[in-house]
Amino acid sequence: GNSVTQMEGPVTLSEEAFLTINCTYTATGYPSLFWYVQYPGEGLQLLLKATKADDKGSNKGFEATYRKETTSFHLEKGSVQVSDSAVYFCALRVDAGGTSYGKLTFGQGTILTVHP
Amino acid sequence: SAVISQKPSRDICQRGTSLTIQCQVDSQVTMMFWYRQQPGQSLTLIATANQGSEATYESGFVIDKFPISRPNLTFSTLTVSNMSPEDSSIYLCSVSRGGLYEQYFGPGTRLTVT
Repeated sequence: GNSVTQMEGPVTLSEEAFLTINCTYTATGYPSLFWYVQYPGEGLQLLLKATKADDKGSNKGFEATYRKETTSFHLEKGSVQVSDSAVYFCALRVDAGGTSYGKLTFGQGTILTVHP
Repeated sequence: SAVISQKPSRDICQRGTSLTIQCQVDSQVTMMFWYRQQPGQSLTLIATANQGSEATYESGFVIDKFPISRPNLTFSTLTVSNMSPEDSSIYLCSVSRGGLYEQYFGPGTRLTVT
């Protein structure tokens, strides 16, 4: 089956520090990969995505590269801000047909806290 | 993008009762999904609700416990029936224009069962 594993949290950083949140996946078929962010008191928002191997998704200074050889999609940001404090979810979607079509499988989420 | 609203935003319910959660989207969408997010945990898909067909439930979720309606392309409801404290969760609705399109999420309904 499909599964997503994220690094254990919570992660606490100082402002302007470098961020990496690891994400690895197992999938049957041809997955697209996503990072969603959930700010305090808000719903999930799509942060970035990549639909095929070697694609790099980027948004708001965050980046993640789809690595098929290591089945990974690690999230990085060079300099975090206090406003980046949120829960980050890695997810996959199998884009071939079948019963999983269109469905998202989420990792367990990583809580990020950034201190001034 | 899509703007999604859910009602209620939160509720506290007694065990044994039922609660119906509404999901409204501002444009027509093909696929609607219902997720559960238990405290401190990830999102788990409950079911997929496509207009004009019966909802498709994931393993571990049954229609008697979580009946779903999808009367049109902009609206869906999820009922949590015969609630127990274990049903205390955030329930999220998401929508998509098709299997290969982005999913957009509603703000969630925070349910507490006492």
